[in-house]
Amino acid sequence: GAGVSQSPRYKVTKRGQDVTLRCDPISSHATLYWYQQALGQGPEFLTYFNYEAQPDKSGLPSDRFSAERPEGSISTLTIQRTEQRDSAMYRCASSLDRASNEQYFGPGTRLTVT
Amino acid sequence: DQQVKQNSPSLSVQEGRISILNCDYTNSMFDYFLWYKKYPAEGPTFLISISSIKDKNEDGRFTVFLNKSAKHLSLHIVPSQPGDSAVYFCAARGGTYKYIFGTGTRLKVLA
Repeated sequence: GAGVSQSPRYKVTKRGQDVTLRCDPISSHATLYWYQQALGQGPEFLTYFNYEAQPDKSGLPSDRFSAERPEGSISTLTIQRTEQRDSAMYRCASSLDRASNEQYFGPGTRLTVT
Repeated sequence: DQQVKQNSPSLSVQEGRISILNCDYTNSMFDYFLWYKKYPAEGPTFLISISSIKDKNEDGRFTVFLNKSAKHLSLHIVPSQPGDSAVYFCAARGGTYKYIFGTGTRLKVLA
């Protein structure tokens, strides 16, 4: 595609519900990153994929968070049993490969947990 | 433990003058440093990067300087234009291709 897309753009959910966020990277890009961004802060690394492999998931805050990229293209980030502290902007970015440090960011998904 | 710090939350500069945005880091193992620009309601956009083996990289009006001994980098924008008004994030790449971002500096260029 022309750029990185994310859906939904906004999600409001009740505490305790599961949510799944989707990222569609630039089609030729091997590497995909997920970030969490709190208001007034910079993006905070969650995890990344190189094709379908997930070499680093050290940034996932708890085992309620998981991510997948089964076919090396579209990725999903799932948060189980959401808590109010999970409220944030979730950003996805893709890059040509791991060595390329230029990441292309999507518009983000604003998650609000009530 | 914040490994990448941007200590100035905001900066105002007159159009045509130089804008200097600063960033400090603590981890000497970072191998690449990057600057991103972010407009409201959009994702960050890559601006310029520098390898840890260099001390300067220039791209048009944008120059990044790296001082490894001080663990400090800066972004110079000359001349500043109103369209440069945005939030600027400094980021550093660790050995596992993990990127650490600073908290951002909001630049306002006054016409």
